[in-house]
Amino acid sequence: SAVISQKPSRDICQRGTSLTIQCQVDSQVTMMFWYRQQPGQSLTLIATANQGSEATYESGFVIDKFPISRPNLTFSTLTVSNMSPEDSSIYLCSAPGRGPYNEQFFGPGTRLTVL
Amino acid sequence: GNSVTQMEGPVTLSEEAFLTINCTYTATGYPSLFWYVQYPGEGLQLLLKATKADDKGSNKGFEATYRKETTSFHLEKGSVQVSDSAVYFCALTRGGGNKLTFGTGTQLKVEL
Repeated sequence: SAVISQKPSRDICQRGTSLTIQCQVDSQVTMMFWYRQQPGQSLTLIATANQGSEATYESGFVIDKFPISRPNLTFSTLTVSNMSPEDSSIYLCSAPGRGPYNEQFFGPGTRLTVL
Repeated sequence: GNSVTQMEGPVTLSEEAFLTINCTYTATGYPSLFWYVQYPGEGLQLLLKATKADDKGSNKGFEATYRKETTSFHLEKGSVQVSDSAVYFCALTRGGGNKLTFGTGTQLKVEL
């Protein structure tokens, strides 16, 4: 398995500001993933963070709104920019385990409330 | 594209009752299938997995069998406990890249 930590665990932010979420993995991984879970909903993939190249965004998500950094093989950040109340969600990062079965392991999530 | 369909919740059971949460999928080829659990206020934990047809994943008394012929991966537990109260997500990944496609989640409430 992979052990993944996230900071902050929760935050309350004002409309129009930005928040950067950090994700740390206990082993080197090629890809890391960022998901959004809106209240009472399932998880939606925002983007894949690749080390050494730009992130790959899913349909409906853009780099200007969700810039991602991936400075090394164990760390990534997601910024939620120019926030509005609609951005209130849980943001989770994930990374694959060391086994061959494509399982992913998740961080504990960052609970964001935008006022 | 890939998709996962789960039975809607919430599912409310008495302790020691039998649990089934239905999950069916649409994907080309042979996806890997997973069940994740999210306890209140926490992130997702991998509960079990199956990577090929007829595989049975099991963990903590939960089981699910990969049925290629019915494209299903139903979650079962013979006797649920109050501590099993959580949201359960069925998910798949197909091919390289490890991107997960999730179902909508099923909330389980177990009462004494």
